[in-house]
Amino acid sequence: AQKVTQAQTEISVVEKEDVTLDCVYETRDTTYYLFWYKQPPSGELVFLIRRNSFDEQNEISGRYSWNFQKSTSSFNFTITASQVVDSAVYFCALSEVGTGFQKLVFGTGTRLLVSP
Amino acid sequence: DGGITQSPKYLFRKEGQNVTLSCEQNLNHDAMYWYRQDPGQGLRLIYYSQIVNDFQKGDIAEGYSVSREKKESFPLTVTSAQKNPTAFYLCASSIDLMARPPNTGELFFGEGSRLTVL
Repeated sequence: AQKVTQAQTEISVVEKEDVTLDCVYETRDTTYYLFWYKQPPSGELVFLIRRNSFDEQNEISGRYSWNFQKSTSSFNFTITASQVVDSAVYFCALSEVGTGFQKLVFGTGTRLLVSP
Repeated sequence: DGGITQSPKYLFRKEGQNVTLSCEQNLNHDAMYWYRQDPGQGLRLIYYSQIVNDFQKGDIAEGYSVSREKKESFPLTVTSAQKNPTAFYLCASSIDLMARPPNTGELFFGEGSRLTVL
């Protein structure tokens, strides 16, 4: 069975600090997709990134970066120089390939609080 | 603006009553989904639909029902059989991945409906 673990329930940082959100996953599939979503206070989830299991290249997008390591089954998310607007709940998710992306398995989320 | 509209945003229900949550999208997406979010439990899939007049059960379908009579609409009914209905419900949509691969696999979410059973 697939499983996504986000062990950090809540993280509090001060603005401009760097912060890393951890994500560990379990799957028997050799091909799969990993996602990160952001849930601001308004409630809707906002897509941040998708990673294929066969592509371990790390990715950077502005202040956001993702570190994918198959050897440790981890897909960690780092925010550099955090800002108050980064305050949200962040979800990591996993999906099989072939069945489509419909059946995403979500982690329990990490609440990030960035104070001024 | 294109997007997903859920209504109502807040809903109160007495025990024993059915309630229907609305989800409408104007993104021309084929696939639509309903998720339930509880504190500390992440999101769990209730139902999903890849095409009009067809839908499949997710992981926690018991006590819920859906319909997909139109491409843009996917209402969720929380029936009296759902033993613990108080939760935050999120509707989402995506491009039909089988018809137009590859794509990011992005789900587009509505702002959710918070249901409270009194």
